[in-house]
Amino acid sequence: AQSVTQLDSHVSVSEGTPVLLRCNYSSSYSPSLFWYVQHPNKGLQLLLKYTSAATLVKGINGFEAEFKKSETSFHLTKPSAHMSDAAEYFCVVSDREGSQGNLIFGKGTKLSVKP
Amino acid sequence: KAGVTQTPRYLIKTRGQQVTLSCSPISGHRSVSWYQQTPGQGLQFLFEYFSETQRNKGNFPGRFSGRQFSNSRSEMNVSTLELGDSALYLCASSPGTSGGRPQFFGPGTRLTVL
Repeated sequence: AQSVTQLDSHVSVSEGTPVLLRCNYSSSYSPSLFWYVQHPNKGLQLLLKYTSAATLVKGINGFEAEFKKSETSFHLTKPSAHMSDAAEYFCVVSDREGSQGNLIFGKGTKLSVKP
Repeated sequence: KAGVTQTPRYLIKTRGQQVTLSCSPISGHRSVSWYQQTPGQGLQFLFEYFSETQRNKGNFPGRFSGRQFSNSRSEMNVSTLELGDSALYLCASSPGTSGGRPQFFGPGTRLTVL
């Protein structure tokens, strides 16, 4: 069965410092992995996706994530946080076989950015 | 291209009533999925439709149902509402059967059951 664990429910950083949001996954198949962001009272926006091409994936707004199969991890990073990055971030796994359309969401990590 | 639209954005119902939520996918997208988001359970998959057929279903009771029309628009229905059905209901669309493909989400319908 597929699952995803976000290791921190809340991360707080200062503006201009690096961001690290941690995610571990479990999948029976070659996984497709995504990071989504949700700003308050808004829908979910896709940040980036991994689908077995390059292991380092670049997304929007300066975010990137590295797929590490040996560690079953897909951590999200950004070199320098901006106030507008404050939101909730979801790590998501979707198997490319079998579970069509079934996205498995992590519990989310709330990112706070201090001025 | 216009994004995914959901109507209504907010809804208040009482226990025992039923409700229908609507979702219009991005033009050209044929797959529509529905999710429930609550503070306690997080985001949970309800079901997915592709070409008017339900392709996959999450672990929800039969009170939750849906359908998709020939223009790919989708509706979900919840009958005999319970207090625990209060949630943000999100619709997402994808060009094809969405295994491995990203989904694009609408702003959601916030349902409050009193």
